[in-house]
Amino acid sequence: DVKVTQSSRYLVKRTGEKVFLECVQDMDHENMFWYRQDPGLGLRLIYFSYDVKMKEKGDIPEGYSVSREKKERFSLILESTSTNQTSMYLCASSLSSGGTQYFGPGTRLTVL
Amino acid sequence: GQSLEQPSEVTAVEGAIVQINCTYQTSGFYGLSWYQQHDGGAPTFLSYNALDGLEETGRFSSFLSRSDSYGYLLLQELQMKDSASYFCAEVEGSQGNLIFGKGTKLSVKP
Repeated sequence: DVKVTQSSRYLVKRTGEKVFLECVQDMDHENMFWYRQDPGLGLRLIYFSYDVKMKEKGDIPEGYSVSREKKERFSLILESTSTNQTSMYLCASSLSSGGTQYFGPGTRLTVL
Repeated sequence: GQSLEQPSEVTAVEGAIVQINCTYQTSGFYGLSWYQQHDGGAPTFLSYNALDGLEETGRFSSFLSRSDSYGYLLLQELQMKDSASYFCAEVEGSQGNLIFGKGTKLSVKP
């Protein structure tokens, strides 16, 4: 089975702090994705990557950056957190094109 | 912009059949996926339609009509454990980028 893990289930940070969210997948997938999920808004794509060192902006990249130095690892970076970044952050990976993505358990980030 | 429309809530009883519709408006459409998410859990993949027609996986089926920009998820023999949110998601790029609908919360009553 595909396994996607995320570094933390819950995080509480203060406004202005820097946050790294790490995601690791163990199935040699080319594509990796970061979403945030908010009530009533569904899942929104922040960034994605289809190869090592490659990244593409999603629908809501402002305030975020990403890093993919190794195929299995995709990090989401919040340089200076703000309260409107309080959300559930979900990482996903997929083998290739097509509609099947495998999600990690999510990180619930609260920014005070 | 691109958007997908699906009902926000659906209620049904155990053993019944429920259909969750999804309409989309986009160019560069590759296909339509469906995901299930229980409260507190991560989305899990249910089905994917790249071509018109019906795909069946056990109690769940998914349908796509590209000419109508429309699809649906059909859940049969509903069980209490089917209570969850269901998302349709459009595959919009060759790398498999997904654009999600806002989700349909299904409540199954005894």
